[in-house]
Amino acid sequence: EIVLTQSPGTLSLSPGERVTLSCRASQTVTGSYLAWYQQKLGQAPRLLISGASSRATGIPDRFSGSGSGTDFTLTISRLEPEDFAVYYCQQYGSSPFTFGPGTKVDI
Amino acid sequence: EVQLVESGGGLIQPGGSLRLSCAASGFTFSSYWMHWVRQAPGKGPVWVSRINSDGSITSYADSVTGRFTISRDNAKNTLYLQMNSLRAEDTAVYYCVRFSGIITWGQGTLVTVSS
Repeated sequence: EIVLTQSPGTLSLSPGERVTLSCRASQTVTGSYLAWYQQKLGQAPRLLISGASSRATGIPDRFSGSGSGTDFTLTISRLEPEDFAVYYCQQYGSSPFTFGPGTKVDI
Repeated sequence: EVQLVESGGGLIQPGGSLRLSCAASGFTFSSYWMHWVRQAPGKGPVWVSRINSDGSITSYADSVTGRFTISRDNAKNTLYLQMNSLRAEDTAVYYCVRFSGIITWGQGTLVTVSS
């Protein structure tokens, strides 16, 4: 099973700041099948990035993903008030599909 | 529009059974592997089970093996999760997810296991 580690656990930031979230895998993620999700309280996870770097439909271009192998990054170029949420990475290249523990982006 | 709509959740006593359904629309359901993912209150999502396009291959997380059964009816465009011997730790929102092509999640259905 591929274990995903996200860092940091919590980030306290202000609107307008740039943020970089890290996701590290215990083994190579097959085919760079790595997704990033945003989740707010009471809502389903919202897909931001799939295939490590492809923005999902309707996702603003301030969100970008990069990385391959075992190291992946989600960057938000300029935080908007609606971006304060929990962010999860997930690998879907090898069964069982696994999720990271999440990074909370706080005000 | 691709859509997944879960139903069947509710309050159930420990040891009880429940069957979740997921109605799919907007895509050729019979061509895709489908998955169940759950999220306990205050925790992150956890993959539960998957099934291949014709229903002949299934796999499960260790925590539900032997208690949960995934199945599908391609004629009805519906995915199922039969959950038996439910425990308090099965309390979660259960999501139906398509991970191939454009990743798509349903809105989830809440299962609460409590006496």
